[in-house]
Amino acid sequence: DGGITQSPKYLFRKEGQNVTLSCEQNLNHDAMYWYRQDPGQGLRLIYYSQIVNDFQKGDIAEGYSVSREKKESFPLTVTSAQKNPTAFYLCASSIEGADTEAFFGQGTRLTVV
Amino acid sequence: GESVGLHLPTLSVQEGDNSIINCAYSNSASDYFIWYKQESGKGPQFIIDIRSNMDKRQGQRVTVLLNKTVKHLSLQIAATQPGDSAVYFCAENAGGTSYGKLTFGQGTILTVHP
Repeated sequence: DGGITQSPKYLFRKEGQNVTLSCEQNLNHDAMYWYRQDPGQGLRLIYYSQIVNDFQKGDIAEGYSVSREKKESFPLTVTSAQKNPTAFYLCASSIEGADTEAFFGQGTRLTVV
Repeated sequence: GESVGLHLPTLSVQEGDNSIINCAYSNSASDYFIWYKQESGKGPQFIIDIRSNMDKRQGQRVTVLLNKTVKHLSLQIAATQPGDSAVYFCAENAGGTSYGKLTFGQGTILTVHP
């Protein structure tokens, strides 16, 4: 099936540790995105990538890092510099340059313990 | 409609009623708008989109209306069903080529009673 796969679904991290969230897509989309969602709020853009080996900061990039070495993959690292990392993280992809919808994965819920 | 704050707007309807969810967007330069449905613990699911050169678009049981003069977007769901219960988000793209680069509203909780 075509789609976006995020793993793991639940993730627990100790304070001070970095953690990497996985996002893989087989839709052949050029553009990929990471969003953060806090309870009772909408999604906020962390980073996005329009093409392999390139990415741009979104609205809340501080404390996060990404890489885009392959078209299919866009992992997000939540670093120890992120002051409030507990949230629901959503990855999405879209056709670059086409005004069509972005497709979302099922999310990773990160909890700092 | 959607508003700033920690308490999401809510809409409760009876099964079979029509539902209208409203959204005020912020950027007059936005040229693409989209509605997503999100069920608890899941990722957003596409419902319908509309470009800024349109004022109405219809899908299956859903209609989106765009009023650029007052920067207002609405989603109409006909014959609402219990399976429509979810949080609904409007989102806008302020230009550029990455249409997944979106600014989301806070969301509206729709509850459909059988």
